[in-house]
Amino acid sequence: AQKVTQAQTEISVVEKEDVTLDCVYETRDTTYYLFWYKQPPSGELVFLIRRNSFDEQNEISGRYSWNFQKSTSSFNFTITASQVVDSAVYFCALSEGSNYQLIWGAGTKLIIKP
Amino acid sequence: ETGVTQSPTHLIKTRGQQVTLRCSSQSGHNTVSWYQQALGQGPQFIFQYYREEENGRGNFPPRFSGLQFPNYSSELNVNALELDDSALYLCASSLGGLATIREQYFGPGTRLTVT
Repeated sequence: AQKVTQAQTEISVVEKEDVTLDCVYETRDTTYYLFWYKQPPSGELVFLIRRNSFDEQNEISGRYSWNFQKSTSSFNFTITASQVVDSAVYFCALSEGSNYQLIWGAGTKLIIKP
Repeated sequence: ETGVTQSPTHLIKTRGQQVTLRCSSQSGHNTVSWYQQALGQGPQFIFQYYREEENGRGNFPPRFSGLQFPNYSSELNVNALELDDSALYLCASSLGGLATIREQYFGPGTRLTVT
């Protein structure tokens, strides 16, 4: 069965600190896709990244970076030099190769204090 | 490029009533997915429409139904509303086909409250 676990319910850091959001997934498929979305207080989910199971290269986009490790079934997200505008709920999601459904984690609420 | 829009923004209904939520997909997108997000939880997949056909369904009862129109806009209908149907309903559009995985772009959601 497919499952996504975000064990951190809430994280609070001071601005400019680095923070890592954890995501652990379960799937029986060899082909799958992993996603991160951001949900600010306004409620609209914002797409951040998609990664397929055959691409284990880490990715960096500005202050954001993602570490995909198949050996530990993890797809962690790091924000470097956090800013108050990064405050939001962050969701990790999984889609198996033959199934277009997105299975979501429970989300991690990130609070960045000034 | 126009993003995903949803209407109405907020809605209050009484238990047993019926409701219709609307979604306009992003320009060029032919696939629409609907999700239910209860407070403090991740979204739950309701169903997806591709070229006016239902393309998959999550674990939701038949009183949740939908439509997709030739312009790829979509409706979500919920009959016999229950208190537990109170949630944020999110519509997402993407460009894809059957069993095609693409990033989905979400609308702002409709907040439904059932009393």
